[in-house]
Amino acid sequence: GIQVEQSPPDLILQEGANSTLRCNFSDSVNNLQWFHQNPWGQLINLFYIPSGTKQNGRLSATTVATERYSLLYISSSQTTDSGVYFCAVEWVGDMRFGAGTRLTVKP
Amino acid sequence: NAGVTQTPKFQVLKTGQSMTLQCAQDMNHNSMYWYRQDPGMGLRLIYYSASEGTTDKGEVPNGYNVSRLNKREFSLRLESAAPSQTSVYFCASSESLPGVAGRYNEQFFGPGTRLTVL
Repeated sequence: GIQVEQSPPDLILQEGANSTLRCNFSDSVNNLQWFHQNPWGQLINLFYIPSGTKQNGRLSATTVATERYSLLYISSSQTTDSGVYFCAVEWVGDMRFGAGTRLTVKP
Repeated sequence: NAGVTQTPKFQVLKTGQSMTLQCAQDMNHNSMYWYRQDPGMGLRLIYYSASEGTTDKGEVPNGYNVSRLNKREFSLRLESAAPSQTSVYFCASSESLPGVAGRYNEQFFGPGTRLTVL
């Protein structure tokens, strides 16, 4: 099956710092999404991004489908950015998630 | 707009018991999904429904059944619960966008049901 690998697995930042999260996948996919799971377990869709670049406030994402990776950029991080960030890809009619990057932003 | 709602929030079962997890959405979405999330892992798709009356298996369908009762509601049933089904279960929904490549569009998630099977 497809491998979806996220790095780094854990990341600790001071408030105000920038970060880049990476998602690599091992096969061609139809689309890719980024999600944030907050410390209370709620899942929020951040980006639906099969290719190209999108921006939403302090967050932006880039997917290079031909090279099988996606990047999530968080600028000027805030404590509310803490949680787990997942990428998920659509592959042969199924949705496959990576194991996530756990981000902790300290005040 | 409540979005996606799930009931119950918590449930403890004994091995062999059955139960149904309920999910409803008020966004008029065609597509609905059931996922499970085990500790330290991403979500895994159990079942998917593209529209009322249709369902498809996901990555981990064994031990589960689903019913797409109408456009709003999608239920997940465990007929004979096993300890391996201890997990957090999430329901999600999305629009179906004609002409858009890809089966899974932007998904909106419910708050989850934490299930423990003893």
